[in-house]
Amino acid sequence: QQQVKQSPQSLIVQKGGISIINCAYENTAFDYFPWYQQFPGKGPALLIAIRPDVSEKKEGRFTISFNKSAKQFSLHIMDSQPGDSATYFCAASIETNAGKSTFGDGTTLTVKP
Amino acid sequence: DVKVTQSSRYLVKRTGEKVFLECVQDMDHENMFWYRQDPGLGLRLIYFSYDVKMKEKGDIPEGYSVSREKKERFSLILESASTNQTSMYLCASYTANTGELFFGEGSRLTVL
Repeated sequence: QQQVKQSPQSLIVQKGGISIINCAYENTAFDYFPWYQQFPGKGPALLIAIRPDVSEKKEGRFTISFNKSAKQFSLHIMDSQPGDSATYFCAASIETNAGKSTFGDGTTLTVKP
Repeated sequence: DVKVTQSSRYLVKRTGEKVFLECVQDMDHENMFWYRQDPGLGLRLIYFSYDVKMKEKGDIPEGYSVSREKKERFSLILESASTNQTSMYLCASYTANTGELFFGEGSRLTVL
């Protein structure tokens, strides 16, 4: 049973464009939704996270949009740069137990110069 | 900065061998995790630990065991390695202060 579905599997964007990655979850008990970024040869690192009491969170060029009724959330990368090329994972958890996260399958983003 | 160190970055083992993957964190976190990463499957939780000598099964514990004798160290054990355990293994520690998982750089295991 896949509790977090992530799409697309891969994404190619031109430099300066907008990258959008979507995730959908099933478990309504989830209340913490982080995004992790992973570069080749490295472990994932927390990029940005949101809790369901807000519909949007922005940190620099990265924005999470959250739709509680649809059980969906998405990552938007504005003005995408070649240095953003990485694999992105969405995740969901119950905040009191947020170390035990359920991850999406990952999206490999390539930003072309 | 939090550092999670996985001592073996690349291992090649034969079917049936016993394999130890070691992980050490330096931030005094109580919670530690072992995930497995496979292409197209994301990260799947194998085992986790909330305290010394405590362990709980994750989503895919079959064929694995763990050991947590000291707070900073969490080991993953493959009692008898099989080819379907060829994968990237990621250790992580967790702090409730920020809700963040801190990952090591991973141990890529190949079982022949």
